Amino acid sequence: DVKVTQSSRYLVKRTGEKVFLECVQDMDHENMFWYRQDPGLGLRLIYFSYDVKMKEKGDIPEGYSVSREKKERFSLILESASTNQTSMYLCASRGFGAGSGNTIYFGEGSWLTVV
Amino acid sequence: AQSVTQLDSHVSVSEGTPVLLRCNYSSSYSPSLFWYVQHPNKGLQLLLKYTSAATLVKGINGFEAEFKKSETSFHLTKPSAHMSDAAEYFCVVSRGAAGNKLTFGGGTRVLVKP
Repeated sequence: DVKVTQSSRYLVKRTGEKVFLECVQDMDHENMFWYRQDPGLGLRLIYFSYDVKMKEKGDIPEGYSVSREKKERFSLILESASTNQTSMYLCASRGFGAGSGNTIYFGEGSWLTVV
Repeated sequence: AQSVTQLDSHVSVSEGTPVLLRCNYSSSYSPSLFWYVQHPNKGLQLLLKYTSAATLVKGINGFEAEFKKSETSFHLTKPSAHMSDAAEYFCVVSRGAAGNKLTFGGGTRVLVKP
């Protein structure tokens, strides 16, 4: 089974802090994604990475940056956390081999509260 | 451009009765379509996917969906609901194998009554 692991499930941070959300996948997938999920707004794409050191802005990149130094790891960085970044963050990965078939696999989510 | 509309934001069914979750899509390309389920405080789990093979797709936990190109629909069904099916369900469209952006429907929350 594909496993996408988000190491932090629940975090509480103060306004202005730098926050790192880590995501690791074990299937050698090329693509990785960061979404945030908010009630009434659904899932919104923050950033997408199609390969190591490659990234592309999603629909709501403001206030976020990402890092993909290794294929299996995709980090989301909040340079200076703000209260409007309180949300559930979902990491996902996708491969294109015969077994994956364009399927996107999600992690369990990271609940971030900024106070 | 592509879009997904889940026609019901909430569905309530009794345990043991059929479940129907409706999804319509629009896409300028041959789409890949997915249904995901999200239980409270969890990530999204893949139920099933359509990627231009058989139009009737069987998934996990007794769910299935039928791709109808003429109706641009991909409705999800299950013959007999179980209490564990209470969750939120998302219909998702992807632009084939090359699309890096998924478009999510707004979600349908399913309540299962005993």
